[in-house]
Amino acid sequence: DAGVTQSPTHLIKTRGQQVTLRCSPKSGHDTVSWYQQALGQGPQFIFQYYEEEERQRGNFPDRFSGHQFPNYSSELNVNALLLGDSALYLCASSDRTDTQYFGPGTRLTVL
Amino acid sequence: GDSVTQMEGPVTLSEEAFLTINCTYTATGYPSLFWYVQYPGEGLQLLLKATKADDKGSNKGFEATYRKETTSFHLEKGSVQVSDSAVYFCALSLDFGNEKLTFGTGTRLTIIP
Repeated sequence: DAGVTQSPTHLIKTRGQQVTLRCSPKSGHDTVSWYQQALGQGPQFIFQYYEEEERQRGNFPDRFSGHQFPNYSSELNVNALLLGDSALYLCASSDRTDTQYFGPGTRLTVL
Repeated sequence: GDSVTQMEGPVTLSEEAFLTINCTYTATGYPSLFWYVQYPGEGLQLLLKATKADDKGSNKGFEATYRKETTSFHLEKGSVQVSDSAVYFCALSLDFGNEKLTFGTGTRLTIIP
C-alpha cells in the first residue's frame, strides 16, 4: 500500500519565478492538506482540498494556490516567489475516519 | 486562536534514560491531540494520538495522556534508545485529525550511547 508521495524531492528557483509541487495521497484517502515547514519550525497549514475544492485555508497570501484532481492528487502552486518561501513543503492525506499521513516533502530553495 | 506550546529544545539524554517532552495547548473546542516524529531528512510520521480527555495514546514505548484539566499532552518514554533521536512535534486538530493540524515548534531529541 503506497503512502503519500510527493514530487519533486528538491527544487531550486529564483525570486519572482513560479513553482508547482505535486502530491499523490495514500490509497483510500480523499482529502489533501499542504503545509509549509521553515527551517527549525513546526509545519504551518496552507490549505486543504476535498472534492476538488479548497475547504480550509491558513494564513497564506493568494500567491499560494492549489488544485485537486478527480483522482484526489493535488498540486500546490506558488507565484512570484520570495526568498522567504524557501522551506520544506509537506503534503498530508486523510479521509473522514483517519488522521493525516504525511509525505516526505519537497525542499524548495529560492535564490 | 488555537495554539500548541512545546518544551524548548534541544534535549540530550543518555541511552536508557527516562524521557518527558512537555506539551500544552489552547483550543476553542475539544481538540484531538497528536505527537508526530520527524527523522532527519524525512517527512512527519504519526507517533500516537488521543481524541478525548483521559485517553492515553501509546506506540513504540512512547505514551501521552490527554489531560483536559491542565490542557496538556506530555510525551513520555521509560527507556530511550539511540534510534529515538529525532524531532518531536505536538499538534492538535478540531476534527479527529481530518481538519488542519496546528503544530508546536518541535523539540529536537538526541540520545547519546
